[in-house]
Amino acid sequence: SQKIEQNSEALNIQEGKTATLTCNYTNYSPAYLQWYRQDPGRGPVFLLLIRENEKEKRKERLKVTFDTTLKQSLFHITASQPADSATYLCALDVSGGYNKPIFGAGTRLAVHP
Amino acid sequence: EAQVTQNPRYLITVTGKKLTVTCSQNMNHEYMSWYRQDPGLGLRQIYYSMNVEVTDKGDVPEGYKVSRKEKRNFPLILESPSPNQTSLYFCASRGAAGETQYFGPGTRLLVL
Repeated sequence: SQKIEQNSEALNIQEGKTATLTCNYTNYSPAYLQWYRQDPGRGPVFLLLIRENEKEKRKERLKVTFDTTLKQSLFHITASQPADSATYLCALDVSGGYNKPIFGAGTRLAVHP
Repeated sequence: EAQVTQNPRYLITVTGKKLTVTCSQNMNHEYMSWYRQDPGLGLRQIYYSMNVEVTDKGDVPEGYKVSRKEKRNFPLILESPSPNQTSLYFCASRGAAGETQYFGPGTRLLVL
């Protein structure tokens, strides 16, 4: 069956360190992969999109990698800050033009001062 | 300001009492979706629409209805709510497949 897996355990790191979150998938051939940030009780907010033919994408302190062979995306936050504490969701868009992105359950990140 | 709005934000109702959650976007987006979010399950798509009068089922459509009579509005209708529809609901819109989705602030629904 098709699955997207994100680490369900919270990730606790010290301020200033690099946070790395993982998104693994099986039985999909995604055309795009997106990462979102979600704060408690609020809607997800888009962060980065990476396409299947791209290996890496950066935006300020954020970096996303996409390995279609391993079926995995890594999301990095460098020089993390307590304000980065939130839940991070990955979402796959399969090719075909359909509006049916598949979301992972998210990983909660806590950055401690 | 580009935004997706939902109303109401919080709703407590009883089993069987029909309700509608409204969703509106001001970005002239063609694609709109409804999701529900439950602990440990992530966001699951209920219904989506690719344009006016074009809607299709997502992964968990049972017990829900939608309509898309205008491009900006995409209401979610629960004809006969049941307790298992207690959840956090999000409306979202996007300009095209593969583009970023903009999410509304969420509607927290409790069905007693």
